[in-house]
Amino acid sequence: NAGVTQTPKFRILKIGQSMTLQCTQDMNHNYMYWYRQDPGMGLKLIYYSVGAGITDKGEVPNGYNVSRSTTEDFPLRLELAAPSQTSVYFCASSPARASYNEQFFGPGTRLTVL
Amino acid sequence: RKEVEQDPGPFNVPEGATVAFNCTYSNSASQSFFWYRQDCRKEPKLLMSVYSSGNEDGRFTAQLNRASQYISLLIRDSKLSDSATYLCVVNYGAGSYQLTFGKGTKLSVIP
Repeated sequence: NAGVTQTPKFRILKIGQSMTLQCTQDMNHNYMYWYRQDPGMGLKLIYYSVGAGITDKGEVPNGYNVSRSTTEDFPLRLELAAPSQTSVYFCASSPARASYNEQFFGPGTRLTVL
Repeated sequence: RKEVEQDPGPFNVPEGATVAFNCTYSNSASQSFFWYRQDCRKEPKLLMSVYSSGNEDGRFTAQLNRASQYISLLIRDSKLSDSATYLCVVNYGAGSYQLTFGKGTKLSVIP
């Protein structure tokens, strides 16, 4: 049982490039989330999904897109990368609504945009 | 704006000490409260949920004061392995999917 896995672990992008951060969970959780964590700051919710085919915006969605075609996968797409998107990105999942259940986090992707 | 404020830290304490972290939240409709632990350059992991009556898990005790919108975490008999950043986490309100994370308080336990 691998839990939540994320790829890549590290990435450097140039301004204007695009990339997809991959997230997979093998716990059959319906709920999945993408967060970003800037140095010295709390985690901010980017997007979340309550099941395959259903996604919604979080607190800081601008510059990102998501899709949820399967229960297991929840990729995050960055279009036209900007330095402000330099951050650590965490994917998480929970068996039910986050506010009432533990969230399980992946190891994170450290992204630098230069 | 919905905020979660924590002690800025860092807290540097000797092994065996008792240390307390405080957290205040701004949304009075918040229903669920948690403490997460985050090791350096690692992902957050749930330490414990916080219940209205207070709860204890070994050396860790969490308290909630809804009237003051205040949460606390007490760690007794600190171990070197307790060194980490402790995140106070609150949900936005009943029916909300979104959690608000505090910036965290860094704890270093010194031999």
